[in-house]
Order: sequence, then structure tokens, then C-alpha cells
Amino acid sequence: GENVEQHPSTLSVQEGDSAVIKCTYSDSASNYFPWYKQELGKGPQLIIDIRSNVGEKKDQRIAVTLNKTAKHFSLHITETQPEDSAVYFCAGSLSGTYKYIFGTGTRLKVLA
Amino acid sequence: DAGITQSPRYKITETGRQVTLMCHQTWSHSYMFWYRQDLGHGLRLIYYSAAADITDKGEVPDGYVVSRSKTENFPLTLESATRSQTSVYFCASSGYWDNQETQYFGPGTRLLVL
Repeated sequence: GENVEQHPSTLSVQEGDSAVIKCTYSDSASNYFPWYKQELGKGPQLIIDIRSNVGEKKDQRIAVTLNKTAKHFSLHITETQPEDSAVYFCAGSLSGTYKYIFGTGTRLKVLA
Repeated sequence: DAGITQSPRYKITETGRQVTLMCHQTWSHSYMFWYRQDLGHGLRLIYYSAAADITDKGEVPDGYVVSRSKTENFPLTLESATRSQTSVYFCASSGYWDNQETQYFGPGTRLLVL
């Protein structure tokens, strides 16, 4: 079955710097990759996603890239702000199965 | 417009007790899910449901029971709670948006088993 690995487990950056979180997946049939942000005491919220027919997707300061050949995808946050501090989860899914396999999460700290 | 809600938000119980965690969604989504979140493990799927009266096991179903008599509700029961079931539990439902099914999460229930 699918396995998703996420690195790093913790990441500290200075405010204004960029942050990159990487995930790898094992099942080449997976074709949908969402990213979730979880703030303290709250449930995960979808922030961006990408499908396997797209190599990159951007939404303001957030971008996701996908390399299907290497089976890895990354979350990029530019011009980080204190409110970006949270735990981020990647996931992989086979479209139509409705089931996600999540990575173990990355705790991002943005230092003011 | 509540979306997806969970109750209780916090629960303390004792080993051996039965506990039921509630999940309610107002979107009429067909699919619903229960996850547990533990440090170092991320989110692991316990059970999911494709529709009323249709449920199936996820990655870690042992010790849990689910039911789905109505589309909007998906309760999770710990029949005899154990300390290893101390965790944060998240319910999610799946809706179709932009030609893709996307999962939306509730706020979670923090369960402590003494």
C-alpha cells in the first residue's frame, strides 16, 4: 500500500525567510496530493493541493511542486510570517478512493 | 453554517469504560472518516464510511466500533477504553470540489484514558 514520508519533522526559520517541506510517496498510482495546516488546538485545514497532471501550483505565498518520476512533492512558503507557525501535513491519495495516507507532520516555527 | 462538528471536545475516562465520540456534518457529504493523531504517527485512519449503513476498516480499527444510521452522523465508540487509546481524534468528511474529492476536518476530541 501507499506510504508517505515527510521531512523535516521540525523546521525553524526567521520571519521573512522561505520554508520548504518535502514528502515522498511509494505508490506510483497516487495522483492527488493535498497539504494541510494544523494550528494549535484545531483540526487540519486544507491549504493547497496538486494533481499528478500538474508540476507546480501557486497560491499567493504558498506553492507546491510535484516530481512524478522521483515520487516526491514539496511545499514552499515564501516571506514567512509568525502566523505561518503550525504543523503541516502532506498526504497522498489515489483519486476515486477517497482515502488519504498522511505524512507524520512538520512543525514549522517562524521566529520574529 | 456549522460544517463539521465534534463532541465532546475533551473527555477523561477510565480504563474499561465505554466512550462514544460524536461527529456531525451539515454538508450531506457521502464519505466520512475517523482518524487518530499521535505524536510521531501523524494522522492514522481508524474507520471510514461511504454512505449510511456502509462502513469499512482503516489502518488501526482494533478496539473501535462505528455506525452510520444517518448521513450526517458518524459516531465512534471505544467499547472498553485502554490507555493506548489516549489520543486526539479527528472526524472528517469528503466533498467534491473542483473535480476532486477533498477531506474537511472537524476540530477534534482530546481523549485521556486513565
